[in-house]
Amino acid sequence: KNQVEQSPQSLIILEGKNCTLQCNYTVSPFSNLRWYKQDTGRGPVSLTIMTFSENTKSNGRYTATLDADTKQSSLHITASQLSDSASYICVVSGRSRDDKIIFGKGTRLHILP
Amino acid sequence: DAGVIQSPRHEVTEMGQEVTLRCKPISGHDYLFWYRQTMMRGLELLIYFNNNVPIDDSGMPEDRFSAKMPNASFSTLKIQPSEPRDSAVYFCASSLKRSIDPYEQYFGPGTRLTVT
Repeated sequence: KNQVEQSPQSLIILEGKNCTLQCNYTVSPFSNLRWYKQDTGRGPVSLTIMTFSENTKSNGRYTATLDADTKQSSLHITASQLSDSASYICVVSGRSRDDKIIFGKGTRLHILP
Repeated sequence: DAGVIQSPRHEVTEMGQEVTLRCKPISGHDYLFWYRQTMMRGLELLIYFNNNVPIDDSGMPEDRFSAKMPNASFSTLKIQPSEPRDSAVYFCASSLKRSIDPYEQYFGPGTRLTVT
C-alpha cells in the first residue's frame, strides 16, 4: 500500500533556531515529491518539488532533500521566523498507471518568540 | 488573478440536509481537484476533473457525495444527505496539468463544513 509518513507530528522551537522535518514514503514507482506549507485557515502552498534525479532543492530558508534509494525526504528550515508557524505537508506522486497522489498528515510547527 | 475561489467559507448545517460547496478555478487551468481535510486523516483527494470531465472519483467516500463541473470556470461538490462525520475542511485546487509533473496545484482557501 502506498503511504507517506511524516515526523514529528508536531514540533515547537524558539525563533531563530533551525529544524528538520522528515517524510518517509513507500510510493513506487516514484515520480516526484512536493513539500507544502499550510498556514492556519488557509490552503496549502507549494514550497518545493523534487523529481527522482534531484536530491536537494532550496527555496529561501527552506531546503528539501531527497534520498530516492531509502525513500526519505527532509525539509530543513534555517533561522526560523514566527511566520514559519504552520503545517508542513509532504506529498508524493507515483508513476504508476493510475498516478496516485499521496498526502502525508503533516507536521505542525510552532515557532515561539 | 484572484486565485481559486471557494464559497461559502463556512457552512453549518443539520444532519440530513443537503450541502453544496462551490469552486471557481484559476482561469486557464484545465485540472480541478476536490480534497477533504480532517485532523485524523489529513488531506484526502476526493475527485479530480480534466477539461470538465471527471477522471478519478475513487476517493469519493460514498454515494452521498457527488461533484460536477458544468464548465471550465465552475465546479460543485454536493453532499446529500449530510452526516456529522462529513464535518471537515473541503479544498478545491486547480492546475495546468496534474502535479505529477512540475505544474503545481493551487489551492483555494477552503470551506469549513460543520454538520450537527
